[in-house]
Amino acid sequence: AQTVTQSQPEMSVQEAETVTLSCTYDTSESDYYLFWYKQPPSRQMILVIRQEAYKQQNATENRFSVNFQKAAKSFSLKISDSQLGDAAMYFCAYRPMYSGGGADGLTFGKGTHLIIQP
Amino acid sequence: NAGVTQTPKFRVLKTGQSMTLLCAQDMNHEYMYWYRQDPGMGLRLIHYSVGEGTTAKGEVPDGYNVSRLKKQNFLLGLESAAPSQTSVYFCASSYSFSGVGYEQYFGPGTRLTVT
Repeated sequence: AQTVTQSQPEMSVQEAETVTLSCTYDTSESDYYLFWYKQPPSRQMILVIRQEAYKQQNATENRFSVNFQKAAKSFSLKISDSQLGDAAMYFCAYRPMYSGGGADGLTFGKGTHLIIQP
Repeated sequence: NAGVTQTPKFRVLKTGQSMTLLCAQDMNHEYMYWYRQDPGMGLRLIHYSVGEGTTAKGEVPDGYNVSRLKKQNFLLGLESAAPSQTSVYFCASSYSFSGVGYEQYFGPGTRLTVT
């Protein structure tokens, strides 16, 4: 079974600075997808960024970028120029690319609580 | 375009009562999912559907049933609620499983308390 580990329960960063959230995963699959979701206090799950495992180039979405290390099974999220609105829980998630009968949903880590200091 | 909506947003049940949570999406997505989120944990898959009329079990299916009679709706039922089912329930949908449109989009969640 796949597992996703986020080793940082909480992170704090000064506004306008850069912060990196860590995520590691365990899988025997070679083709899969990785995601970062943001959950603000409203509890809405918002897709921040996604990465296809077959792509070597790291995904980027404005101030958000990832460092995808397939061999190390690592998928960290970097937030540049942190803003107060970035404060939220951040969840790393994994999903195999092909349907596996019962393993077709996202597997989530336990989350990292990101605090932005003004 | 409302995306994914969930009804109700909050509910309190007594042990043994039944209820149905409704998820609706207007994006013509084939795949729909029900997850639960407990404190200190990420979301876990309960049941999912790969198309109208089909459903399948996820990681934590016990105590729940689902139905997908229409493509745009996915219902989650609790026949006899238990305190262990106190949680926040999220519905999600995606256009495909792989390739274009594989990403899942979530509804706003339903907070359920069973006393």
